[in-house]
Amino acid sequence: SQKIEQNSEALNIQEGKTATLTCNYTNYSPAYLQWYRQDPGRGPVFLLLIRENEKEKRKERLKVTFDTTLKQSLFHITASQPADSATYLCAPDSGGGADGLTFGKGTHLIIQP
Amino acid sequence: GAVVSQHPSRVICKSGTSVKIECRSLDFQATTMFWYRQFPKQSLMLMATSNEGSKATYEQGVEKDKFLINHASLTLSTLTVTSAHPEDSSFYICSARVQYSGANVLTFGAGSRLTVL
Repeated sequence: SQKIEQNSEALNIQEGKTATLTCNYTNYSPAYLQWYRQDPGRGPVFLLLIRENEKEKRKERLKVTFDTTLKQSLFHITASQPADSATYLCAPDSGGGADGLTFGKGTHLIIQP
Repeated sequence: GAVVSQHPSRVICKSGTSVKIECRSLDFQATTMFWYRQFPKQSLMLMATSNEGSKATYEQGVEKDKFLINHASLTLSTLTVTSAHPEDSSFYICSARVQYSGANVLTFGAGSRLTVL
């Protein structure tokens, strides 16, 4: 069966350090891997996507990698700030565009000042 | 940018009553919208896909008679929780696909917190 695994325990990082979040998937062949941020009591917000033929994607302090052999994506936040504290969700995407996305449980990231 | 407006943001109702949640796409048309449900500290669970002008498609285990979806226009989808019970208390979020860099990503509403007493 299909499975998406994220380190669902809270991840505590000291301000200024790099936070690394993991997304592993099973029985998907995604054309993209999407990452979202969710704050408490709010809907998720799209952050970044990476294509299957891309190794790495960057956007400001965010970096995403995608290894289709390992079936894994890593999400990095460099120079982390307390405002980065949130739950981060990953979603493999087949690329069809007509279907909803299935999300992992998310990683609750806490950046401590 | 593409915005999805959802309301009410919070609703409290008595057991046995029905509650309607509206989801509107502002400044873009959405032939398809997706309804998710999220319990505390749980992941988003896709409930159903709302299709403009046709019947919604429901995920396995979601009761179509309990969660009525209407997508009567290209900018409005509604979810009605009928005869609500305390176990229906949850966070309901709608979304629509929008174009981003040649792909389709989801833009979400702010969510509706339903509490059934």
